[in-house]
Amino acid sequence: ETGVTQTPRHLVMGMTNKKSLKCEQHLGHNAMYWYKQSAKKPLELMFVYNFKEQTENNSVPSRFSPECPNSSHLFLHLHTLQPEDSALYLCASSPRRHSNQPQHFGDGTRLSIL
Amino acid sequence: GESVGLHLPTLSVQEGDNSIINCAYSNSASDYFIWYKQESGKGPQFIIDIRSNMDKRQGQRVTVLLNKTVKHLSLQIAATQPGDSAVYFCAETSLASGGSYIPTFGRGTSLIVHP
Repeated sequence: ETGVTQTPRHLVMGMTNKKSLKCEQHLGHNAMYWYKQSAKKPLELMFVYNFKEQTENNSVPSRFSPECPNSSHLFLHLHTLQPEDSALYLCASSPRRHSNQPQHFGDGTRLSIL
Repeated sequence: GESVGLHLPTLSVQEGDNSIINCAYSNSASDYFIWYKQESGKGPQFIIDIRSNMDKRQGQRVTVLLNKTVKHLSLQIAATQPGDSAVYFCAETSLASGGSYIPTFGRGTSLIVHP
């Protein structure tokens, strides 16, 4: 049990579909993150939220739309994705964004775009 | 931009040997470094961290060494076990424009432990 739960674990969708990824953390953290992990590439930061407010958007295409309704939940809404968006999407949390502390990761959603 | 990289993509060792995984970083402003372990089908798991005011930190069977002069970080695993087989990432952390401390990850080294 990592304290950070992601659903679904696997998702296959067509380029015209709309789907959402969900992340929930039970650690009492205030900062949450979305990362993209592709084969043979370093983890890529996508978005950062702190106390429900987006503080970082790492030049992510608008077909990815994050939502953070509260400090415990984070969503990534997907629409009209491209084949190159197939990857493992990881959610992470940390106590707060203004301190240097390790992030706690979920086990990710494996996304495949047909 | 600045980046973090790993010297070796794959490291194979025998069970019981000591393992050393190396990492080079280039952002001299980074002041916090983390090692993560990622097993197949799972997310990265925190192993050990070190702040820039230290040059060595020990945990249970793991030691992290930081050489700020040459911007080099290493992870030493003592008496490596088959359960240590995984991909290991180093990350350096610096302050981003939005006020968050953001880690930058290396590509990872795959550690394979042979029984």
